[in-house]
Amino acid sequence: DADVTQTPRNRITKTGKRIMLECSQTKGHDRMYWYRQDPGLGLRLIYYSFDVKDINKGEISDGYSVSRQAQAKFSLSLESAIPNQTALYFCATEGHPPGELFFGEGSRLTVL
Amino acid sequence: GESVGLHLPTLSVQEGDNSIINCAYSNSASDYFIWYKQESGKGPQFIIDIRSNMDKRQGQRVTVLLNKTVKHLSLQIAATQPGDSAVYFCAENPYRNKLIFGAGTRLAVHP
Repeated sequence: DADVTQTPRNRITKTGKRIMLECSQTKGHDRMYWYRQDPGLGLRLIYYSFDVKDINKGEISDGYSVSRQAQAKFSLSLESAIPNQTALYFCATEGHPPGELFFGEGSRLTVL
Repeated sequence: GESVGLHLPTLSVQEGDNSIINCAYSNSASDYFIWYKQESGKGPQFIIDIRSNMDKRQGQRVTVLLNKTVKHLSLQIAATQPGDSAVYFCAENPYRNKLIFGAGTRLAVHP
C-alpha cells in the first residue's frame, strides 16, 4: 500500500463546481504539502501544513483552500473551479529531519 | 537544463552511456538541494540531496555536483539504463522547509 494516498486519481468537472482532493498518509509525518504541476512549470506550492494547527499559503494559493483534519489527512478544495485550474495535483509529506518529500501518485483534475 | 516554456528540454542518451542533467538555481541563500525523478503517471521520487557545505555527493550510480559560485547543480547518472527514462527535477531550499522546484528535464534512454 502507498504511504501517501490521493483520491480521486482523476476527476473531470465543470466550471463553478466545488471540488475536494483528499490526501492521507501512513508515514506519521507532521508536515504535509499540496503542489500543482503544469507542463513546463515544474511543481508549484499551493498550501502547506507543519502540524494540525498550522496552515500556510504557498506561492499560488488563490482559488484554493485546505483543511488539516488530522495528522494523517490534508485535503485541498477548489470552491469554484475554473478551467485554468486544470492540472496535476500532488500531495506530499516530510519527516524529521526536514528535507526529503514523499509524494502521492497525483490527482489529475480537468475543469471544463 | 531548466525550461521556461511549455516543452521540457530533453536529453537523449544511449543505454550504457553516462548522463548529465543540469540545473541553474536562483537563490544564493539556498542551502539544501534535492534531485527528484518522476516516471510517467507517478509522483516525484527522491534521488539524492546535497547541502551547501558540500560540492559533491555520490549515491548508487548517481552523483550530484554543486557549484555555488555560478549557482549550478548537476546530476550525473552512470551507465544509464532504460529504467532511468523519466523527468528529473532539481529543487532548492532558500526558505526553511519550502522547496522550490525547477521545470524539469526529460531523460530519454535509447537501446
